[in-house]
Amino acid sequence: EPEVTQTPSHQVTQMGQEVILRCVPISNHLYFYWYRQILGQKVEFLVSFYNNEISEKSEIFDDQFSVERPDGSNFTLKIRSTKLEDSAMYFCASSERTGHNQPQHFGDGTRLSIL
Amino acid sequence: EDKVVQSPLSLVVHEGDTVTLNCSYEVTNFRSLLWYKQEKKAPTFLFMLTSSGIEKKSGRLSSILDKKELFSILNITATQTGDSAIYLCAVERGQGAQKLVFGQGTRLTINP
Repeated sequence: EPEVTQTPSHQVTQMGQEVILRCVPISNHLYFYWYRQILGQKVEFLVSFYNNEISEKSEIFDDQFSVERPDGSNFTLKIRSTKLEDSAMYFCASSERTGHNQPQHFGDGTRLSIL
Repeated sequence: EDKVVQSPLSLVVHEGDTVTLNCSYEVTNFRSLLWYKQEKKAPTFLFMLTSSGIEKKSGRLSSILDKKELFSILNITATQTGDSAIYLCAVERGQGAQKLVFGQGTRLTINP
């Protein structure tokens, strides 16, 4: 069964460094998402992406964050200058289309630890 | 502010018991409600509910949505140790690329 894949599974970075989290969505999916889950807290929406542009972003997704689909398969989340509070599990998700009972499917996540 | 609340937060039962997990919501532009099972890593999709009163069923799991009272339940019958997980309720809202608003999850533990 096709799945969303994320790399790396765990990333440890010094505060202030840039980090790029990578995702390969399911191949025929058109809508892409990033969520994060701080330890012990709810899963929170960060950003949605369709047709090579951001569809919606949350308040968390400030100027330090950016997303890109550099080629036909990858979808990346970049954090420019990481802060301690960026430590979380980051999930990528994709869906085939919306409005037609198409659920979002999630990857296994990248655990980001900021030191 | 959009809100999704799950109860109970934690539940411990014996193998073979039946459990009911609850999810209530207050969101604007409701589109659908989804249930996911989260074991060690990715939330895995269970059900997507858009219409009131229509039960969705998959093996021992079933779920139903009440759009008037703004809640959903997830039932698991004849529980097994493999059902131990965190069960997440999420509401899909908006138009276009819809974001999910998640509840805090119910941690279910099935003891042998």
